[in-house]
Amino acid sequence: AQSVTQPDIHITVSEGASLELRCNYSYGATPYLFWYVQSPGQGLQLLLKYFSGDTLVQGIKGFEAEFKRSQSSFNLRKPSVHWSDAAEYFCAVAPNQAGTALIFGKGTTLSVSS
Amino acid sequence: GAVVSQHPSRVICKSGTSVKIECRSLDFQATTMFWYRQFPKQSLMLMATSNEGSKATYEQGVEKDKFLINHASLTLSTLTVTSAHPEDSSFYICSARDGINSLTGLFGQGTRLTVV
Repeated sequence: AQSVTQPDIHITVSEGASLELRCNYSYGATPYLFWYVQSPGQGLQLLLKYFSGDTLVQGIKGFEAEFKRSQSSFNLRKPSVHWSDAAEYFCAVAPNQAGTALIFGKGTTLSVSS
Repeated sequence: GAVVSQHPSRVICKSGTSVKIECRSLDFQATTMFWYRQFPKQSLMLMATSNEGSKATYEQGVEKDKFLINHASLTLSTLTVTSAHPEDSSFYICSARDGINSLTGLFGQGTRLTVV
């Protein structure tokens, strides 16, 4: 069965520091990969997605993610974190198949210190 | 652009009553919609998948008689929580996909349901 692992439950970084949130997936083929951000009490905002092609994907708000097939990873990065980036981040996968739901990781809470 | 709109964003209801949550696709037709539930500080768990014009497919452990899903048109799916109890209090989020670009990954803004 497909699964998504986000090893870090909570991360704190200083404002202006770089950020990397880890995501590993378990799936036989190359899945479709997503990163979402959720602010408290809010819905999900899509940061970026990977379907195929260039393994380094650029997203909104200065985020990027790199798909590494050999490591089954899709880590999210940002070179300089802003206080407004504090939120919950979810990695999700979908099988390379139409009409299927996303499978989410448990999420990583990002706190930003000044 | 394509947007998934969910309404209401917050609702408080009394135990034993029913609540309907709407999920609409704007600027695209959603042949498939998904309903998720999120408990505090936890991830999203898929409740059911609905395809326009057919019965929803529920995930294991989800009571289909309690969580009624209707996907009567290509732009609207509804989730009705029947005979609500306090343990049904949660954050419910829908997602919609069209038939061509089936992995839009778009979500509604969610509905916070509180049953008192």
